[in-house]
Parts: sequence; structure tokens; C-alpha cells
Amino acid sequence: GAVVSQHPSWVICKSGTSVKIECRSLDFQATTMFWYRQFPKQSLMLMATSNEGSKATYEQGVEKDKFLINHASLTLSTLTVTSAHPEDSSFYICSEAARGNTEAFFGQGTRLTVV
Amino acid sequence: KQEVTQIPAALSVPEGENLVLNCSFTDSAIYNLQWFRQDPGKGLTSLLLIQSSQREQTSGRLNASLDKSSGRSTLYIAASQPGDSATYLCAVRTDKLIFGTGTRLQVFP
Repeated sequence: GAVVSQHPSWVICKSGTSVKIECRSLDFQATTMFWYRQFPKQSLMLMATSNEGSKATYEQGVEKDKFLINHASLTLSTLTVTSAHPEDSSFYICSEAARGNTEAFFGQGTRLTVV
Repeated sequence: KQEVTQIPAALSVPEGENLVLNCSFTDSAIYNLQWFRQDPGKGLTSLLLIQSSQREQTSGRLNASLDKSSGRSTLYIAASQPGDSATYLCAVRTDKLIFGTGTRLQVFP
């Protein structure tokens, strides 16, 4: 099956700094990827849909200027949390979405802690 | 807007019991439905994928059914074991992949 590699698996940063999370497809061309956020003891909430070569589509309530998504190639999508604050501490995870009728594959997730 | 709900939210059972986890969704125009397992602090493990044209899928002690017209899926776990303790998530695929609210399962010896 498709392999999605997400990096880093965890990161601790100071409040006010920016953090970049990478999601890489290793054996296929991912024209679309989904980015999710998960707070403790909650489910995964879709943040945005990343489209190769075009702007990402953000879900309602997600600040596009704070969560910058870049999908410049068919194998790499990045999520940058800008000017991070403690309330941005969460588990972030990406998923490839090659075709609607296929199994979705996920990265390993990134645990972000902002201190 | 697609909404996905899972019942119960939490479940604690003794080892050996057969379990049914429920997932309901509001928009039946889906491509597929996928069940996942998530261990504490970890990522997702895919368990079963049911296409919209299918009624059920089986893998080992797991059986998932889908009734698209009524917007429901169930995950049946036979002969539960302590190692089954985890959070179980269903997710439905349209142009997006939307997750349910999750069921936290604890199986005690």
C-alpha cells in the first residue's frame, strides 16, 4: 500500500516561533493531501485540503494565515504553524487522498508542544 | 455538511465479550467508510475499508458492516482481548475524509 512519511514525529518549540511539518508520499503521486489536528481525547478534525500546485482549501474556523500549507510537488506537502502559541499544542497528522474510492494512508503524526 | 457520530463514546468490558461499535453519518453520498484503531499517543492503524457498494468486510476477529442508505456502519469485535484496548475511529470519504467522534474501548482481563 501507499506509504506516507511525516516528519518530525515530535517537536517542542518556544511560543512565537514557527514550526514546519512535512508529509511526503514515498511511492505515489499525491495530488491531494488532508491535514488534521487532534486535541487530547478528541477525534481528528480536518484542517485543510492541500492541492498540488494550487492554494489549499481550509475548513471553517481554521486560520489560513496561521497554518500555512504548501504543496509544491506531487510528493511533498508541508504545514507551517506560524507564531505558535501554547494553544496550538496538538497532534497533527496528514493523509494522502489520491482517489476517492481507495484506502486512505496516514503519516505517523507530529506531536507539537509549544512552551 | 457531513457529520459522523460514534456510539458509545466509551466502553469497558471483560475479556472474551463480543462487542459492537456504532458509526452514523448524515450524508449517504460516500465513496467508502474506513475503520481505524488509535493507541494512546500514537498514529492511526487502518482496520477495514468498506466501499460504498459493499455491505461488509471481515478481517480476523473484526467484521464491519455498512448500510449506506441509512447512514450507518457497525464494527463487530469477536472474543475481545486486552490488546484490543484502544480508541476506534470511523471515517467516511466524500471529497474529504471526515472522522467520527471515536469510541474508547477498554478490555480488562
